[in-house]
Amino acid sequence: DVVMTQSPLFLPVTLGQPASISCRSNQSLVHREGNTYLNWFHQRPGQPPRRLFNQVSNRDSGVPDRFSASGSGIDFTLKISRVEAVDLGVYYCMQGTHWPYTFGHGTKLEIK
Amino acid sequence: QVQLVQSGAEVKKPGDSVKVSCKASGYTFTSYAIHWVRQAPGQRPEWMGWINTAKGKAQYSQKFRDRVTISRDTSASTAYMEMTSLTSEDTAIYYCARGYGVEYWGQGTLVTVSS
Repeated sequence: DVVMTQSPLFLPVTLGQPASISCRSNQSLVHREGNTYLNWFHQRPGQPPRRLFNQVSNRDSGVPDRFSASGSGIDFTLKISRVEAVDLGVYYCMQGTHWPYTFGHGTKLEIK
Repeated sequence: QVQLVQSGAEVKKPGDSVKVSCKASGYTFTSYAIHWVRQAPGQRPEWMGWINTAKGKAQYSQKFRDRVTISRDTSASTAYMEMTSLTSEDTAIYYCARGYGVEYWGQGTLVTVSS
């Protein structure tokens, strides 16, 4: 299975400050058809994961533009320009290129 | 609007089986696959398998291939995930999600396995 490695595991932040999460896979996520199926999710306690971005950088409907995502190949990044209280929780990257799809172990965004 | 509504929480004993349902609405059921993902307490989500709802063909993660059956009833717009030979390690929230992009998720079904 493809291993997805996120860093950091815990990200203490000050509200209003930026935050960045890294995700690296152990093999290329470029599908043979040419697309890269790397998604980002946010999960709050007691809730299902909510998708934020698909195919690396396509922002989903309703996701604030303070969130951005980028990357290629095996290296990907999620950034928040100014963290708000509603952003707290766990962020996961997930690859949908190779079966079985796999998630990173998550990055917990918490107040410093 | 797209909705996936799952069946309620289950409490099972080791060795039992469980069947979780996922009823879809707000779109044409057979136009999207349904995926099943589980999340043990404090762990990352883990893919179990998915079903082509039009053809009825399922694909499974190697880890679950021997114990999980994913099926669907197109007349009821409902997908099912059945797991056999439960152990305490199967205690988790089980989610269904729509399509290869997994944008829409069910609310989750807590399955607790305890003697």
